[in-house]
Amino acid sequence: NAGVTQTPKFRILKIGQSMTLQCTQDMNHNYMYWYRQDPGMGLKLIYYSVGAGITDKGEVPNGYNVSRSTTEDFPLRLELAAPSQTSVYFCASSYSGQGAGELFFGEGSRLTVL
Amino acid sequence: GESVGLHLPTLSVQEGDNSIINCAYSNSASDYFIWYKQESGKGPQFIIDIRSNMDKRQGQRVTVLLNKTVKHLSLQIAATQPGDSAVYFCAETPNTGGFKTIFGAGTRLFVKA
Repeated sequence: NAGVTQTPKFRILKIGQSMTLQCTQDMNHNYMYWYRQDPGMGLKLIYYSVGAGITDKGEVPNGYNVSRSTTEDFPLRLELAAPSQTSVYFCASSYSGQGAGELFFGEGSRLTVL
Repeated sequence: GESVGLHLPTLSVQEGDNSIINCAYSNSASDYFIWYKQESGKGPQFIIDIRSNMDKRQGQRVTVLLNKTVKHLSLQIAATQPGDSAVYFCAETPNTGGFKTIFGAGTRLFVKA
């Protein structure tokens, strides 16, 4: 099993550009999440999904959108990139909802907005 | 407000010694705690978890202690090895429903050979 796979690993965007961070998992997990990690900080939840077709906002959703058309894939869309979105983004999945088991993380996507 | 914090941002230990990483939390309603390890350039990886109805849980070379009276969590690593060098996060999930896991800022552990 590959686990949680994120692409791209690195990306530089100009202010106002848009892009999609891809995330796929092969563990048949229903729950998937997107977090961002700023330097020296913990992870903050952007969006999450409890199953295909169902998504909801986390702690810091502004400036982002997600979709969940399949169990495996959970892409994160950045519209009109801003310098404040410079961060490392982590996709994660879990078998059960939070509070009931561990999260499996991808290796991260480092985004710089200039 | 809710917060999960760490007492020390960095910890340096000699190889072979035991390491203790501390974490404070403020939400007494939290009932599930996890320690994650994050190596450079990688995503966090699960180490060990504990529920609020427990005081201690042991894994392979790691022990988590939970003191609900003072809202304190610690991770003990026995016989610390160079491969243990990483950032360690505690995470707290309140029993209020939803997806509200709160991650602390992390403690960087350096293991000296």
